[in-house]
Amino acid sequence: AQKVTQAQTEISVVEKEDVTLDCVYETRDTTYYLFWYKQPPSGELVFLIRRNSFDEQNEISGRYSWNFQKSTSSFNFTITASQVVDSAVYFCALSEARSSGSARQLTFGSGTQLTVLP
Amino acid sequence: GAGVSQSPSNKVTEKGKDVELRCDPISGHTALYWYRQSLGQGLEFLIYFQGNSAPDKSGLPSDRFSAERTGGSVSTLTIQRTQQEDSAVYLCASSLAGIDGYTFGSGTRLTVV
Repeated sequence: AQKVTQAQTEISVVEKEDVTLDCVYETRDTTYYLFWYKQPPSGELVFLIRRNSFDEQNEISGRYSWNFQKSTSSFNFTITASQVVDSAVYFCALSEARSSGSARQLTFGSGTQLTVLP
Repeated sequence: GAGVSQSPSNKVTEKGKDVELRCDPISGHTALYWYRQSLGQGLEFLIYFQGNSAPDKSGLPSDRFSAERTGGSVSTLTIQRTQQEDSAVYLCASSLAGIDGYTFGSGTRLTVV
């Protein structure tokens, strides 16, 4: 069975601080995908990143960066110089990869509510 | 359309009534998923359609829940004899095999009173 744990239920930071959201996963699959989604107050889930289990390179996209460590089954997300607009619930998710390359259904963590104070 | 469209955006229904929720995926996306997000909870998988294959219904919580996808496009999630615990946001997502990410709709907020 697959499981995603986001131990941080809520985090508050002051604008311009860096913040790391933790994600730990469990799976018996050898090939899988990891995702991060953002859910702002409007409610719509916004895709941020998909990482293949074979690719352990860290990724940076603007103020966002992701640290994938297979040895510790973690896929942490860091926001540098946080802004008020970053306030949202962030979900980490896991999916088995199908042989066709597509992904099966997502198993989500319970989410981390990030509040960035001005 | 450009995104995944769900209707209605909000639905209030009386306990015991049936409801239908609609999802119009992105054109060309072969995979379609339904998830449920209860208040303060994460997202719970309900059902998955992939092309013409039999759907994966393993996430449906009871036999009151069913879904169909007509012509490989629009999907309808039906909840019969609604209960208060069915109150949640029902999210639909679609994806194109092998392409990054899933695109989610804005959801239908269902309230059973």
